[in-house]
Amino acid sequence: QVQLHESGPGLVKPPQTLSLTCSVSGASISSGDYYWTWIRQPPGKGLEWIGCILYSRITYYSTSLKNRITMSLDPSKNQFSLEVTSLTAADTAVYYCARVTTFRYMDVWGKGATVAVSS
Amino acid sequence: SYVLTQPPWESVAPGKTAVITCGGDSLGDKSVHWYQQKPGQAPVLVIYDDADRPSGIPERISGYKSGNTATLIISRVEAGDEADYFCQVWDNNNDHVVFGGGTKVTVL
Repeated sequence: QVQLHESGPGLVKPPQTLSLTCSVSGASISSGDYYWTWIRQPPGKGLEWIGCILYSRITYYSTSLKNRITMSLDPSKNQFSLEVTSLTAADTAVYYCARVTTFRYMDVWGKGATVAVSS
Repeated sequence: SYVLTQPPWESVAPGKTAVITCGGDSLGDKSVHWYQQKPGQAPVLVIYDDADRPSGIPERISGYKSGNTATLIISRVEAGDEADYFCQVWDNNNDHVVFGGGTKVTVL
């Protein structure tokens, strides 16, 4: 059974950088069958897609966030990561990692990591 | 950028049918997927490729698409169906995942 688990700091000060890691078990992130993605949800709001990374390290980033985000893979640890720079209060959200099938839907999600940006 | 439009809420009595729509330009050319999100939980895939159900999703939940509108139907609604529902597509023009704004289903 595939499981994803997000980890990272619960509180970050502006304008610092947020680093999150998603640990994958039950599947290999090096498999070409899937993409790996980050999605966030501000309090009381809807889902916002952040970006995807493929096993080949090709990345697709949200237009609104592309200047502040970097995604990477660590196959040796079966993890993928997200960095978000120049944080503001608007980046406060629950951050989810998920697996994306080749048919472009998310079939497995992590439970989410709550991140608050506050001085 | 591509936009998916959903009604913000849907209220339904127990045992009745909830109908949630999702509209977008040229939606007929895309595959639509639906997620259910209960309070404090991660989203769960309930419909993929317009009308297919993952294993473990009850047959009461179904989906279809006609023209530029996709529809999620929850039959014989139960209290446990109370949740936010989001539609999603892949925007091929920009290589982006796009979500609808979400519909909150309230069971009366």
